[in-house]
Amino acid sequence: DGGITQSPKYLFRKEGQNVTLSCEQNLNHDAMYWYRQDPGQGLRLIYYSQIVNDFQKGDIAEGYSVSREKKESFPLTVTSAQKNPTAFYLCASSDSGTDSNQPQHFGDGTRLSIL
Amino acid sequence: DQQVKQNSPSLSVQEGRISILNCDYTNSMFDYFLWYKKYPAEGPTFLISISSIKDKNEDGRFTVFLNKSAKHLSLHIVPSQPGDSAVYFCAATLYMGRRALTFGSGTRLQVQP
Repeated sequence: DGGITQSPKYLFRKEGQNVTLSCEQNLNHDAMYWYRQDPGQGLRLIYYSQIVNDFQKGDIAEGYSVSREKKESFPLTVTSAQKNPTAFYLCASSDSGTDSNQPQHFGDGTRLSIL
Repeated sequence: DQQVKQNSPSLSVQEGRISILNCDYTNSMFDYFLWYKKYPAEGPTFLISISSIKDKNEDGRFTVFLNKSAKHLSLHIVPSQPGDSAVYFCAATLYMGRRALTFGSGTRLQVQP
């Protein structure tokens, strides 16, 4: 069954600690994205990657880092520099990073909380 | 600067009736619009989309209408079913070196049996 897997579903971070959220897809999609959702708000783009070994900052990249060493994987690290990391994080992928008619498909998200 | 707005945070309709969810946008460069449905603790699921060169797209019980002059789109669900109860996000996209989505804040639809 093709899809996007995010893990863990729930994650707790201590102050000053870096944490990494996993995102794996077996859809053979070229493009992958990370979004953040806060209560009562829409999703905001953190980072995106259109091909392997390439990624670009989104609208709210400060305090986050990513890597794209494999097509299937796009992990997101929330660093200690991110002052308000508590949120619901969603990973998405699409067949193309440029075509308009390729909808993005989402994982089930990771909820990150600060201890 | 919120480029995609869903001004109704919630909507309640009776089963079998029509649900109309609205969305407004400000950026005339958007060339594709999408609707996503989201259940609690799950990721959004793609529902239906429309290109900016069209004014209507239909898929079963779901129809999206686009009024470019008013920068407005709407999602019609007919007939509404209790399983349609979820949060619906309107999203728009344009290509500027990337094709990420700009989302509205969502509308929570409750379909009453």
